[in-house]
Amino acid sequence: KNQVEQSPQSLIILEGKNCTLQCNYTVSPFSNLRWYKQDTGRGPVSLTIMTFSENTKSNGRYTATLDADTKQSSLHITASQLSDSASYICVVLRGYNKLIFGAGTRLAVHP
Amino acid sequence: DTEVTQTPKHLVMGMTNKKSLKCEQHMGHRAMYWYKQKAKKPPELMFVYSYEKLSINESVPSRFSPECPNSSLLNLHLHALQPEDSALYLCASEPTVGFYEQYFGPGTRLTVT
Repeated sequence: KNQVEQSPQSLIILEGKNCTLQCNYTVSPFSNLRWYKQDTGRGPVSLTIMTFSENTKSNGRYTATLDADTKQSSLHITASQLSDSASYICVVLRGYNKLIFGAGTRLAVHP
Repeated sequence: DTEVTQTPKHLVMGMTNKKSLKCEQHMGHRAMYWYKQKAKKPPELMFVYSYEKLSINESVPSRFSPECPNSSLLNLHLHALQPEDSALYLCASEPTVGFYEQYFGPGTRLTVT
């Protein structure tokens, strides 16, 4: 079954701390994996997009990793800021046109 | 211009009303999408347009009717909706269907009374 599972479901951290969000997928055929940030009531915004040949990709304080063998990805946030409070959604493109969404991790950064 | 715009931002409609949601992009993208998102859930794909033609309909009820009048514009016509259709409706676009990054609009918050 084509699924994307994210953990944890929710996370609270203090401002300035680092955190890592996890994404496991069982999607075939795999084309690419995307991480999106979604603020409440807003559309998702792309953070990274990775193909199977890419292991690590950074976008500012966000670093995504991909292990295509174990079908796992992580999103690491460094030196968190209050504005990082959002839902982070892992999305896998199956084939050429089917996006499979994870349920998201809701991150709250507290001062 | 890397923006997808959606109007209106909020919409409240009765079950007998007819209304439309509008999505616009001027990035030259030829693939456009409608998603429905319930609270605390990921977006669910509804429709995909590729080169102004409907290519995917994810078994959406006929009370939702999409339209792509030109390559920049995507509409979603609503008629006889149910309260459970209340959700955030997101539009997205990308250069062509597949391997590219999707750009999402801010969404329309729809409430059906």
